[in-house]
Amino acid sequence: AQKVTQAQTEISVVEKEDVTLDCVYETRDTTYYLFWYKQPPSGELVFLIRRNSFDEQNEISGRYSWNFQKSTSSFNFTITASQVVDSAVYFCALSEAVTGGGNKLTFGTGTQLKVEL
Amino acid sequence: EPEVTQTPSHQVTQMGQEVILRCVPISNHLYFYWYRQILGQKVEFLVSFYNNEISEKSEIFDDQFSVERPDGSNFTLKIRSTKLEDSAMYFCASSGRGNGDTQYFGPGTRLTVL
Repeated sequence: AQKVTQAQTEISVVEKEDVTLDCVYETRDTTYYLFWYKQPPSGELVFLIRRNSFDEQNEISGRYSWNFQKSTSSFNFTITASQVVDSAVYFCALSEAVTGGGNKLTFGTGTQLKVEL
Repeated sequence: EPEVTQTPSHQVTQMGQEVILRCVPISNHLYFYWYRQILGQKVEFLVSFYNNEISEKSEIFDDQFSVERPDGSNFTLKIRSTKLEDSAMYFCASSGRGNGDTQYFGPGTRLTVL
């Protein structure tokens, strides 16, 4: 069974600080996919990044970066120079490879990030 | 940019009533999903739908729930006899392909059962 753990329930930082959101996953599959979604106060779920299990390259997109480490089953998310607009709940999610049909996402419990002035 | 849309944004109903939540997935997508999020909790998978049939469902998706793609654009979730514990945000999502493809979510329908 697949499982995603986000141990940090809430993080508060001051604007311009760097912050890392942790995500640890469990799966028995060798092929799987990892995602991060952002849920701002308005409530929608916004896709941020997708990674497959064969691609351990870290990725940087503007102020966002992701560190995928299969050895520790972690897919951590770092925001550099945080801004008030980054305040949101961030969810890590996992899907396993499925033959014929869609694949469900298993979400972590989310990390509430509050960025203050 | 194509997006998933959902109607209504907020639905209030009495316990025991039937509700239908509507979604219009991204037009060239083939896989459709429903998730729910009870207030303050994580997002939970309900059902996936492909080629006009359910491909997977969770334990939450019992006989009170059903899904349908009545035409080429809409994807609906019906709850036959709502219970208080069905109060949640319901998200529709779609993806172009199955395995591991990114799922794009609609803005959600907040269902309140009184």
